[in-house]
Amino acid sequence: LAKTTQPISMDSYEGQEVNITCSHNNIATNDYITWYQQFPSQGPRFIIQGYKTKVTNEVASLFIPADRKSSTLSLPRVSLSDTAVYYCLVVGGRDDKIIFGKGTRLHILP
Amino acid sequence: GAVVSQHPSWVICKSGTSVKIECRSLDFQATTMFWYRQFPKQSLMLMATSNEGSKATYEQGVEKDKFLINHASLTLSTLTVTSAHPEDSSFYICSAPGTSVSLRRNEQFFGPGTRLTVL
Repeated sequence: LAKTTQPISMDSYEGQEVNITCSHNNIATNDYITWYQQFPSQGPRFIIQGYKTKVTNEVASLFIPADRKSSTLSLPRVSLSDTAVYYCLVVGGRDDKIIFGKGTRLHILP
Repeated sequence: GAVVSQHPSWVICKSGTSVKIECRSLDFQATTMFWYRQFPKQSLMLMATSNEGSKATYEQGVEKDKFLINHASLTLSTLTVTSAHPEDSSFYICSAPGTSVSLRRNEQFFGPGTRLTVL
């Protein structure tokens, strides 16, 4: 399982775009990059997943460079409700266990 | 989307007693489920993999005799914390891979968690 490294914490303001970068130097050819969001006292929930280039959904965008050794989660126009911990994960097989890193604690200020 | 439930959502027990936590996949089947433990301000720590029809696989350092896991059916896994002590107080979360309901690679559906407090 590829190890991931991301900032421990970030602060931003409402209405701003937030970019959280994650490095995964040892990512394997078959691995996908997945981001989860966790609010206090809740289980994590899936945000976005990608293999390469750019992926966008109704919540976020995920940018992955050609070498796939890093990825950037982009949250457009954040609000207070986006305050949460964001985990970057590299996943392989379909039912493989997932090992969580420390995550990034995002704090949105008014 | 797929839903995973946990019961109870919180439990308080006395030291030395056992506590059972249930994890159910409500609208899909899961031959594998995962159990995590999370302490305040920390990340999720994988405890074990629950396998339907066979023994659970425990992560290094997790006592299998203390944390009993039973995958009773394709929709239910239980975690029993035996002889609980205050240091077992934590937030316990289960997950199930959505292989049967999701096209994404290894998308996990997480339960809401169970807060265990041992007095």
